[in-house]
Amino acid sequence: NAGVTQTPKFQVLKTGQSMTLQCAQDMNHEYMSWYRQDPGMGLRLIHYSVGAGITDQGEVPNGYNVSRSTTEDFPLRLLSAAPSQTSVYFCASSYSGAAGPTDTQYFGPGTRLTVL
Amino acid sequence: AQKITQTQPGMFVQEKEAVTLDCTYDTSDPSYGLFWYKQPSSGEMIFLIYQGSYDQQNATEGRYSLNFQKARKSANLVISASQLGDSAMYFCAMREVSQGGSEKLVFGKGTKLTVNP
Repeated sequence: NAGVTQTPKFQVLKTGQSMTLQCAQDMNHEYMSWYRQDPGMGLRLIHYSVGAGITDQGEVPNGYNVSRSTTEDFPLRLLSAAPSQTSVYFCASSYSGAAGPTDTQYFGPGTRLTVL
Repeated sequence: AQKITQTQPGMFVQEKEAVTLDCTYDTSDPSYGLFWYKQPSSGEMIFLIYQGSYDQQNATEGRYSLNFQKARKSANLVISASQLGDSAMYFCAMREVSQGGSEKLVFGKGTKLTVNP
């Protein structure tokens, strides 16, 4: 049981390049989400998904796309990277999107992205 | 408006002493959940403790306890017998549930705890 995995761990892009951050979980969790963490800002929700085929926007969705074709995978796409997207990106998953009282989100190890 | 407020950017505590990290929240939903996460310098997010809005008792997990005061909308984390390994960033978070049933986790800006030997 690997939990939540993210690849790559580090990435450097040039402005305008595109890339996909990968996220996978093997816990059969329905709910998956992407956050970005910037200094002094805590974690902010980018996009989330309550199950395969269903995605929705979070607090800071601009510049990012997501899709959820399987329960296990939830990739985050940057179509045209900008320096403002330099951040640490975390993927998280939890059992249910209907918010059971004891549900807990489990986080991946993070991807550190730098856009030059 | 900020939904999770952590007023202490940094805290210092002596090893073996207890420390309280503050968290206040704002919600009009009767059903919500409150979480604390620890982020050491290595960067991973580690779940510590959970408190549900309908829970009658304060949550405890080992040396961590949550001082939940619902009327004051506060959910302070208490760490007893601090250890050097407790030095980290600590984030308070609240689960919000939309009318459609989907959930979002809203984070505070964090408190950096330093445990001194």
